[in-house]
Amino acid sequence: GAVVSQHPSRVICKSGTSVKIECRSLDFQATTMFWYRQFPKQSLMLMATSNEGSKATYEQGVEKDKFLINHASLTLSTLTVTSAHPEDSSFYICSASTGQGAPGTEAFFGQGTRLTVV
Amino acid sequence: GQNIDQPTEMTATEGAIVQINCTYQTSGFNGLFWYQQHAGEAPTFLSYNVLDGLEEKGRFSSFLSRSKGYSYLLLKELQMKDSASYLCAGMDSNYQLIWGAGTKLIIKP
Repeated sequence: GAVVSQHPSRVICKSGTSVKIECRSLDFQATTMFWYRQFPKQSLMLMATSNEGSKATYEQGVEKDKFLINHASLTLSTLTVTSAHPEDSSFYICSASTGQGAPGTEAFFGQGTRLTVV
Repeated sequence: GQNIDQPTEMTATEGAIVQINCTYQTSGFNGLFWYQQHAGEAPTFLSYNVLDGLEEKGRFSSFLSRSKGYSYLLLKELQMKDSASYLCAGMDSNYQLIWGAGTKLIIKP
């Protein structure tokens, strides 16, 4: 199946610093990538939809100036958590659709990034 | 509004069969997904249904009834490694996934 690589898998940062998370589709071109956040024992919460070459579409309640998303190419999207605070500690997951068949029929996920802000 | 309902937790015995139900309400409908998620890991795609009926894939099967807004995931010959959360997600008219909170499945020997 399609492979999506997310890096880093774990990161610990100090409060006030910024952290960048990369999401790469390794064997297919992903015109659209999705960024999710997941709190313990809860389901995925969509943060934003990232389209190659254009601005990301953020879900209601997600601060676009805090969670910067860049989709520079068909295989790479990045999420930067700026001025991180302890409440930003969470599991961040990206996904990309292969685009085969009906749009979005399969979304392959990256491995996730466990962010801890101390 | 859009909503996905599934049980919070289920327990089953190794070697047995378990059915995880999901009811959905979405704005438009472009399919129903099931994902498996082990603790601390990202979800893994299991199945996709867009037409009514049963889709069988090895030990896992998924069923959809569009008229009832209902789906289930059936796991046969349960193994200990099947202990995980199972996420039901409906795709709306904008091709956005609406996620359920997940069902934690506990397998006992």
